Amino acid sequence: ETGVTQSPTHLIKTRGQQVTLRCSSQSGHNTVSWYQQALGQGPQFIFQYYREEENGRGNFPPRFSGLQFPNYSSELNVNALELDDSALYLCASSSTSGVFETQYFGPGTRLLVL
Amino acid sequence: AQSVTQLGSHVSVSEGALVLLRCNYSSSVPPYLFWYVQYPNQGLQLLLKYTSAATLVKGINGFEAEFKKSETSFHLTKPSAHMSDAAEYFCAVTINTGTASKLTFGTGTRLQVTL
Repeated sequence: ETGVTQSPTHLIKTRGQQVTLRCSSQSGHNTVSWYQQALGQGPQFIFQYYREEENGRGNFPPRFSGLQFPNYSSELNVNALELDDSALYLCASSSTSGVFETQYFGPGTRLLVL
Repeated sequence: AQSVTQLGSHVSVSEGALVLLRCNYSSSVPPYLFWYVQYPNQGLQLLLKYTSAATLVKGINGFEAEFKKSETSFHLTKPSAHMSDAAEYFCAVTINTGTASKLTFGTGTRLQVTL
């Protein structure tokens, strides 16, 4: 069973640029959630996709957007990057969007915005 | 809105000593609670979860946690610490909103294990 994978592992961008982060969910999982973890903080929920539709969003501006594909892999897009967007971005997949379901996390993408 | 508070950003114990990591939650409806561990440069791994089936929850690597509604707590314990337990531990809460299963995390507790 393949776990959650994310790419790239590290990324450096400059302020104002755009970035796309990718996530492959665990086999059999149809739900993907994205979290932002700033240095020294706990992860914060960005949004969740269930069967290719966004079904929940945290307190993040619209320049954070996402997609989920028919194979349930997902992308996180961030436009007009700001210095505060520097963080570890974590993707988690689960077998459904139910509250009981365990979310399995990938290793993350570390983004540095200069 | 739901939240969790982790008391103590850093905890140091000797190898073989009891590990106690504290988590208190706030929720207006029955919560579901989780403990995750994060090793350096890795993602989060689930240690255990409480979903109302039993108040004492046993997890992986010898960890367990007890849900105490009267104290709004879900503290993580392990009888005997091992060097490999050194990591960052996060408590998280979610509630049944009928839509997204959003996890709300605490700020984490870094566990140091010394010889």
